[in-house]
Amino acid sequence: EVQLVQSGAEVKKPGESLKISCKGSGYTFTSYWIGWVRQMPGNGLEWMGIIYPGDSNARYSPSFEGQVTISADRSISTAYLQWSSLKASDTAIYYCARARDSSGYWHLSFYYWGQGTLVTVSS
Amino acid sequence: DIQMTQSPSSLSASVGDRVTITCRASQSISTYLNWYQQKPGKAPNLLIYTASSLQSGVPSRFSGSGSGTDFTLTISSLQPEDFATYYCQQSYNTPLYSFGQGTKLEIK
Repeated sequence: EVQLVQSGAEVKKPGESLKISCKGSGYTFTSYWIGWVRQMPGNGLEWMGIIYPGDSNARYSPSFEGQVTISADRSISTAYLQWSSLKASDTAIYYCARARDSSGYWHLSFYYWGQGTLVTVSS
Repeated sequence: DIQMTQSPSSLSASVGDRVTITCRASQSISTYLNWYQQKPGKAPNLLIYTASSLQSGVPSRFSGSGSGTDFTLTISSLQPEDFATYYCQQSYNTPLYSFGQGTKLEIK
């Protein structure tokens, strides 16, 4: 059974750093793109970026480029989303999602999702 | 960037109704359009990919159509479990897979 299990909720102060995780199981972790999605309180879904764990090739939406870092450790089948200096506006639920197919880079859809990680940034 | 605009933003309907949600892209995206359903406190669930392909396990009352810039998600006969928020997502502009703003489907 394919599963994506995300790390638990975090409460941080502005300026702190954070790294949240998404552990894949039940499939070949290195063969499928993983994306990250933000959902701010009461708002819709925002696409942040994507990574191919096979070679750690990461791409970012312009809105998030330079604001976060997406990485992966294939030895433990885990993808990461990290911030070096959190802002209050980073308060949101963050989802990881795995591509439906391993057929390539283009035109992906996302079938398997993590349960979400709530990040709260408040002084 | 490709902008995705859904209409309506919210919709009230009754069990058994036929419902259509529209998604418009700011430029042609061929048929690279996905639809997701999200219930409160849950992760999104893929319903339709490449505009009209029904994801395995999704009830056949859900269908998608369209190409170019205009797309629709249709629920043929609303069931109680269908009340949720629906999002379209373009997958044309890899890897910038932007979402629509969502359509909240509520019980009338």
